Amino acid sequence: LAKTTQPISMDSYEGQEVNITCSHNNIATNDYITWYQQFPSQGPRFIIQGYKTKVTNEVASLFIPADRKSSTLSLPRVSLSDTAVYYCLVGLRLTGGGNKLTFGTGTQLKVEL
Amino acid sequence: DTAVSQTPKYLVTQMGNDKSIKCEQNLGHDTMYWYKQDSKKFLKIMFSYNNKELIINETVPNRFSPKSPDKAHLNLHINSLELGDSAVYFCASSQDQGTGDGYTFGSGTRLTVV
Repeated sequence: LAKTTQPISMDSYEGQEVNITCSHNNIATNDYITWYQQFPSQGPRFIIQGYKTKVTNEVASLFIPADRKSSTLSLPRVSLSDTAVYYCLVGLRLTGGGNKLTFGTGTQLKVEL
Repeated sequence: DTAVSQTPKYLVTQMGNDKSIKCEQNLGHDTMYWYKQDSKKFLKIMFSYNNKELIINETVPNRFSPKSPDKAHLNLHINSLELGDSAVYFCASSQDQGTGDGYTFGSGTRLTVV
């Protein structure tokens, strides 16, 4: 399974755009790139997923270059409630069903006033 | 309605005891998982069941035994609890065809072994 590397922590202020970059140099052809968000005392929550180029939803954007060896999660105009740990994952669908997600260390984002 | 529910939310117990954590999902998903999050916040998969069949069994001590009576339930029984078992245990579910986007996690069970 592809290993991911992302910054341990980031600080930002309300209203700013935050970009969190994740490296996954040995990503496989069939792997998707997925980002999860985890608040204290809660389970991780799906944010966005992509395979290549750019994906945008109501929460975030995901930029993936052509070589797919990295990806960048972009959070527009963050607020205090975006303070959380953000995990970058690459997933491989198993033959027998289901998916074995491997979580890395995650990036602790702290948003201040 | 809670999509993935775990009970109990907190569990404090002494070393050597046996305890169980229950998980239920009402999403109609085919696959359920148990993850362990340690004090350093690393999330590691422990087990995965697809339609009641065990498909992932990571390097987990035999003291941990998952049981899936039906595809909506996945319980975790732990025998002879040790101090190192203290962690937050998360149950999750996904569709069979998922590629990682369809995971829904429960709110976790914080296990403290004293």
